[in-house]
Amino acid sequence: AQKITQTQPGMFVQEKEAVTLDCTYDTSDPSYGLFWYKQPSSGEMIFLIYQGSYDQQNATEGRYSLNFQKARKSANLVISASQLGDSAMYFCAIFSPTSGDMRFGAGTRLTVKP
Amino acid sequence: DGGITQSPKYLFRKEGQNVTLSCEQNLNHDAMYWYRQDPGQGLRLIYYSQIVNDFQKGDIAEGYSVSREKKESFPLTVTSAQKNPTAFYLCATSPPAGARNSDTQYFGPGTRLTVL
Repeated sequence: AQKITQTQPGMFVQEKEAVTLDCTYDTSDPSYGLFWYKQPSSGEMIFLIYQGSYDQQNATEGRYSLNFQKARKSANLVISASQLGDSAMYFCAIFSPTSGDMRFGAGTRLTVKP
Repeated sequence: DGGITQSPKYLFRKEGQNVTLSCEQNLNHDAMYWYRQDPGQGLRLIYYSQIVNDFQKGDIAEGYSVSREKKESFPLTVTSAQKNPTAFYLCATSPPAGARNSDTQYFGPGTRLTVL
């Protein structure tokens, strides 16, 4: 069984600063995918970034980067140069090719202060 | 327009009534998923389907039913057996195996169901 843990229920960051959102996981699959999604107050889930378990380099997508430490089973999201529009819930998720399903963490609410 | 459609955005039902939530996609994606989200919490998997005419139970399938008669459609029925059906329901799809981002799930806008 897979499990995702997000230990920060809420985070605050000053506009233009960087912030790291924590995510640890547990899985018995040798191959898996790690994802981060953003959920604004409107409710839609927006895909941000993906890291494959065999990828050697950390994934980056614009201001988003994933600090992947496989041995520690962590996949932290780093948002650089925070903007007011980054205020939202952020969910970490793990995908299992074996079962074909995805498991989500409880989420972290990020608030960007002006 | 290509995308995932969930209708309606808000749905109200009386207790004891079955209700069906719609999820349609024209992305030619094989896999489709239904999640439930309660306030302040993460997503929990209800059902998923990787091909037409086949689906599997997720973590919280009790009180729900699905069908997958067409590739484009994966409706979810919330039955009267579901003890606490008021929640936000999200449908997702993922591209075919071998395609770029085949493991990534893309979400519809969601349906907020309130049972009175």
